[in-house]
Amino acid sequence: AQSVTQLGSHVSVSEGALVLLRCNYSSSVPPYLFWYVQYPNQGLQLLLKYTTGATLVKGINGFEAEFKKSETSFHLTKPSAHMSDAAEYFCAVSGISNFGNEKLTFGTGTRLTIIP
Amino acid sequence: NAGVMQNPRHLVRRRGQEARLRCSPMKGHSHVYWYRQLPEEGLKFMVYLQKENIIDESGMPKERFSAEFPKEGPSILRIQQVVRGDSAAYFCASSPEQVGGVQYFGPGTRLTVT
Repeated sequence: AQSVTQLGSHVSVSEGALVLLRCNYSSSVPPYLFWYVQYPNQGLQLLLKYTTGATLVKGINGFEAEFKKSETSFHLTKPSAHMSDAAEYFCAVSGISNFGNEKLTFGTGTRLTIIP
Repeated sequence: NAGVMQNPRHLVRRRGQEARLRCSPMKGHSHVYWYRQLPEEGLKFMVYLQKENIIDESGMPKERFSAEFPKEGPSILRIQQVVRGDSAAYFCASSPEQVGGVQYFGPGTRLTVT
């Protein structure tokens, strides 16, 4: 069974500072990993995904994440925070069910606040 | 290309009533997923459907909840005799593939049970 742990339910950073959102996963097979962003009262938007290959993944809006198998981590970073980055961020791992379909297991989310 | 559509966006029901949530997948997507987000929690998988077939309903509560994806029309998540604990945001996602495709999410339906 897969699981995802996001450390820190709330993170605050100053505008222009580094953003680091932590995600650790548990998976019995090589994982596909995702970061989604959710703005207030909206659905989830895909930021980036890791499947295979290069372990540093670049996404939209200047975000990137690095897959570290030895640490079972997939932390999300952005060099310089912008006010528009304020949102909730979800890390997810995908797995194959007993029925052959893919389904996502999400972490509990990290709410990012940007301080002007 | 329109994204995943869900309606209504907000739904208020009294205890004991029925709630019907609709989801129209992205054009060309035949795989639909429903997830539930309880307050202060992440999304939890409920059910996966293809046209006219429920493939995986391992995340659905055993009673009162049902889902369908008919040959024509949107996917429907139906909750009978709603209780306060059903208050949550319900998200639909669609994908072009059963495995390996990205899931694209709709804006969600926020159900409030009074």
